[in-house]
Amino acid sequence: ETVLTQSPGTLSLSPGERATLSCRTSQTIGSDYLAWYQQKPGQAPRLLIYDASTRATGIPDRFSGSGSGTDFTLSISRLEPEDFAVYYCQQYANSPRTFGQGTKVEI
Amino acid sequence: EVQLVESGGGLVQPGGSLRLSCAASGFTLNSYWMHWVRQAPGKGLVWVSRITADGTNVTYADSVKGRFTFSRDTAKNTLYLQMNSLRVEDTAVYYCVRDGVGSIPFDAWGQGILVTVSS
Repeated sequence: ETVLTQSPGTLSLSPGERATLSCRTSQTIGSDYLAWYQQKPGQAPRLLIYDASTRATGIPDRFSGSGSGTDFTLSISRLEPEDFAVYYCQQYANSPRTFGQGTKVEI
Repeated sequence: EVQLVESGGGLVQPGGSLRLSCAASGFTLNSYWMHWVRQAPGKGLVWVSRITADGTNVTYADSVKGRFTFSRDTAKNTLYLQMNSLRVEDTAVYYCVRDGVGSIPFDAWGQGILVTVSS
């Protein structure tokens, strides 16, 4: 099973600041099949980024993904109030699909 | 509009059974891989099971293999998760999730349904 390790566990920032979230995988992710999701309290997760760097439909361009192999990054260029949430990375190259433990972005 | 609506959750005793349903609308199940993902209270996301678009192949996480059964009724455009021999550690919100077209993963999620296993 591919293990995903996200860091930091919690990121304390202010609106307008830049957020940088890391996701490291225990195995090389083929085809860069790495996704990022956002989850707000009481809501289902929402797909933000897939294939490591492609924004999903309707996702603002302040969200960007990068990386390949075993090291991936989600960046939020200027935090908006609605961006404070928990973010999960997921690999879908290997079975079973696995998620990281999440990074909480808080004010 | 794509919608996934789960139902059938609730409180069940350890060793008991429950069947979750997921009604899909705005698309047909025949064209997409579908999944169940769960989230224990205050914890992260865990993949549970997957069914292929043609319904011929189903896979399970080791933690539920032999206890859970993922099926579908294409006439009703509905998915089911039959959960038997439930354990306290199965307590979670269960999400019905769709794989998108091509390499797009988990592009549509249901609102989730809570399953509580407790005596």
